[in-house]
Amino acid sequence: KAGVTQTPRYLIKTRGQQVTLSCSPISGHRSVSWYQQTPGQGLQFLFEYFSETQRNKGNFPGRFSGRQFSNSRSEMNVSTLELGDSALYLCASSGTQEVFEDEQFFGPGTRLTVL
Amino acid sequence: KQEVTQIPAALSVPEGENLVLNCSFTDSAIYNLQWFRQDPGKGLTSLLLIQSSQREQTSGRLNASLDKSSGRSTLYIAASQPGDSATYLCAVRPRDSSYKLIFGSGTRLLVRP
Repeated sequence: KAGVTQTPRYLIKTRGQQVTLSCSPISGHRSVSWYQQTPGQGLQFLFEYFSETQRNKGNFPGRFSGRQFSNSRSEMNVSTLELGDSALYLCASSGTQEVFEDEQFFGPGTRLTVL
Repeated sequence: KQEVTQIPAALSVPEGENLVLNCSFTDSAIYNLQWFRQDPGKGLTSLLLIQSSQREQTSGRLNASLDKSSGRSTLYIAASQPGDSATYLCAVRPRDSSYKLIFGSGTRLLVRP
């Protein structure tokens, strides 16, 4: 069974640009979450989607947005990039049902560098 | 507000030693606690998941315990190997319908040959 996949693995952008990251969950999983990891702040929750609905959003500015498609694949978008957006962006999937006890499985991440 | 703390931040041990990593959380209202491993620049690998009703889980040389009432979990690694060198993160799933994990800052482990 394939794991969580994320594309691209590495991105270099300049300030002011926008970027779209993609995540494909484990087959059958319907929940997809996104996290930002930086050396200073650690792992911080961005948002979570289930069956194309955003159920929760973390404390990030509106420049960060996401969506989920009917096949459970998810994308996140960051507009007007700032230097502080440089981070490892991780996607996690879980569950075949809407339950809280599910184990979370993470992808390899997308390393975003903003110059 | 739920906070997760991991002590120590870094640990260096000789190969073959048994070791314990600690994780504490401030609010006992959780669904579960999960331990992860992260190699440099890589994603997170799930090691063990402990539901709130469980006391421990085991996988190979790893054993994780959970004491929800005291807000503590430990990850025990037996007979450590250089390949165990990585950062170990614990995360709790709050019982607040937030659909998110709250992570500790991790313990960076180095196992010396």
